[in-house]
Amino acid sequence: GAVVSQHPSWVICKSGTSVKIECRSLDFQATTMFWYRQFPKQSLMLMATSNEGSKATYEQGVEKDKFLINHASLTLSTLTVTSAHPEDSSFYICSASPQDTNYGYTFGSGTRLTVV
Amino acid sequence: GENVEQHPSTLSVQEGDSAVIKCTYSDSASNYFPWYKQELGKGPQLIIDIRSNVGEKKDQRIAVTLNKTAKHFSLHITETQPEDSAVYFCAAIKDRGSTLGRLYFGRGTQLTVWP
Repeated sequence: GAVVSQHPSWVICKSGTSVKIECRSLDFQATTMFWYRQFPKQSLMLMATSNEGSKATYEQGVEKDKFLINHASLTLSTLTVTSAHPEDSSFYICSASPQDTNYGYTFGSGTRLTVV
Repeated sequence: GENVEQHPSTLSVQEGDSAVIKCTYSDSASNYFPWYKQELGKGPQLIIDIRSNVGEKKDQRIAVTLNKTAKHFSLHITETQPEDSAVYFCAAIKDRGSTLGRLYFGRGTQLTVWP
């Protein structure tokens, strides 16, 4: 159990366009999901905490207007990278966990974004 | 906030040998400590975790130990195999119970197991 599905696994887009990444909890409800960014050979950097039915909480230094997060249901959170630029190229990963269980936090398979 | 330190950053071992990765944390309120394995191009995968009321936990070739007094925890992999090669991250969190808090990660350890 506790499966998190993330799509797409990779995407290439042109500068100035927007890209949407989906994160779904397949077999549990997730009132909270987390979005991370990871640069090569570095640790995971928390970008924001996504809360179902309310606004996301962004970490310091993360642009809210650049990285739009929507958590409209208990099983789906989306991250939209708006007006993407080459410096936004990175590996984006989402995470969630069933509450009131002994499961650890489960991560999606990640999305490799390349902006050209 | 919490600060998690992880050592070493790289570790090379011969197949069949043991590997040990160590982490320290700063917040004595942290009470849940997971370990993740991340293969290239994939998301992290939980391999073992331990809670603050337990000193040691083992799952086949993998074990984790926790010293609350010293605020450090370690991952032990025995009889290493080439497929154990990956980046390993330790993490810490407090209030795991009913409140879903954020994980604080170490910087990762690149483990290479040579055949």
